[in-house]
Amino acid sequence: EAGVTQFPSHSVIEKGQTVTLRCDPISGHDNLYWYRRVMGKEIKFLLHFVKESKQDESGMPNNRFLAERTGGTYSTLKVQPAELEDSGVYFCASSRGSNTEAFFGQGTRLTVV
Amino acid sequence: DAKTTQPNSMESNEEEPVHLPCNHSTISGTDYIHWYRQLPSQGPEYVIHGLTSNVNNRMASLAIAEDRKSSTLILHRATLRDAAVYYCILDRVPYGQNFVFGPGTRLSVLP
Repeated sequence: EAGVTQFPSHSVIEKGQTVTLRCDPISGHDNLYWYRRVMGKEIKFLLHFVKESKQDESGMPNNRFLAERTGGTYSTLKVQPAELEDSGVYFCASSRGSNTEAFFGQGTRLTVV
Repeated sequence: DAKTTQPNSMESNEEEPVHLPCNHSTISGTDYIHWYRQLPSQGPEYVIHGLTSNVNNRMASLAIAEDRKSSTLILHRATLRDAAVYYCILDRVPYGQNFVFGPGTRLSVLP
């Protein structure tokens, strides 16, 4: 079984530019999550999809962040425009449901300069 | 948010058992206790989870206190590969895995 895949693994962009992160969950997993760890902080929840619907987006920091999951398969997280404080590692996870194990991707390391 | 409390760091010798404690005094009746670990430069990795009864799997054992206010992750024989940050997290069914990660416990394994 293929794991959760994230693209790109690293991204370096300038402040004010746009970046799109992609996550391919494990096939058949309806639940998809985005998390991030910014410098020196703990891993924080961003949002949760159930299929193509946003179940919980309470962790999204502001309206510069837009997540989509068209068709309930892969998901994208767009940051527009990127700010310096957006630098960190963005993790995606997927699961079959609550009370099951969540599988995390390797993360995308975003550096905004 | 349901919070957990763990020691910042622990140390173990290779091939010895390790007991990683976690306090979750505000746990509610439907919260599952999950443990994940994160190796350097990787995403978090599932270890084990449980509700009330002790659980065993190929990686570890989970001992849950009778009042559920604390739990202990047991690695029966630590290896160098087990050096990681271990997170104790409450899964608030049915809200899904919108986990609240704390700082976790950094486990060092000495050869």
